[in-house]
Amino acid sequence: DGGITQSPKYLFRKEGQNVTLSCEQNLNHDAMYWYRQDPGQGLRLIYYSQIVNDFQKGDIAEGYSVSREKKESFPLTVTSAQKNPTAFYLCASSIPSTRTGNYGYTFGSGTRLTVV
Amino acid sequence: GEDVEQSLFLSVREGDSSVINCTYTDSSSTYLYWYKQEPGAGLQLLTYIFSNMDMKQDQRLTVLLNKKDKHLSLRIADTQTGDSAIYFCAETTPGGSYIPTFGRGTSLIVHP
Repeated sequence: DGGITQSPKYLFRKEGQNVTLSCEQNLNHDAMYWYRQDPGQGLRLIYYSQIVNDFQKGDIAEGYSVSREKKESFPLTVTSAQKNPTAFYLCASSIPSTRTGNYGYTFGSGTRLTVV
Repeated sequence: GEDVEQSLFLSVREGDSSVINCTYTDSSSTYLYWYKQEPGAGLQLLTYIFSNMDMKQDQRLTVLLNKKDKHLSLRIADTQTGDSAIYFCAETTPGGSYIPTFGRGTSLIVHP
């Protein structure tokens, strides 16, 4: 079955460390996204990529970095520059609107990152 | 201010209908979506409606769109305890590269 896999489900990080969250999809989707979710704040866009080897900053990109070397993979690195990294991180993918018009997302099951 | 607004909580009794409301500000919105998030999980696309439609029905779910008032609603008939979740409204516009803008989510609590 096709879908998006995020790993790990839970991640603990010491202050000052970088950590990388994995996101892999086998849906053949061109576009992939990273969101951060905090209680009561909904979803905030960190980075997105609409094609391999290209990505754009979202609303809260500071302290994060991404790469898109393969269509299937869009890892997110939370760097030590991110001042408040404890949150629930969601990865999503979609077919770009230029092809279908319907921009519905498929989401992964999320990674909960805690700084200790 | 927010582009998409939702009330934060809704409490209903099992078997009743639930109506979750959403307002948006961009009149050029093309697609509007409802997503469901269960505890500790990702979001699941429930349904969507194109801006030239007024209503869409899918089993227990009815979506109503009032373009004049920029108001979207999701009605869940015969609400069950398994419907307890956070429901997110989202909209896309051509000018925003079709990146959805999400509301903050409405927590639906279903009492037995």
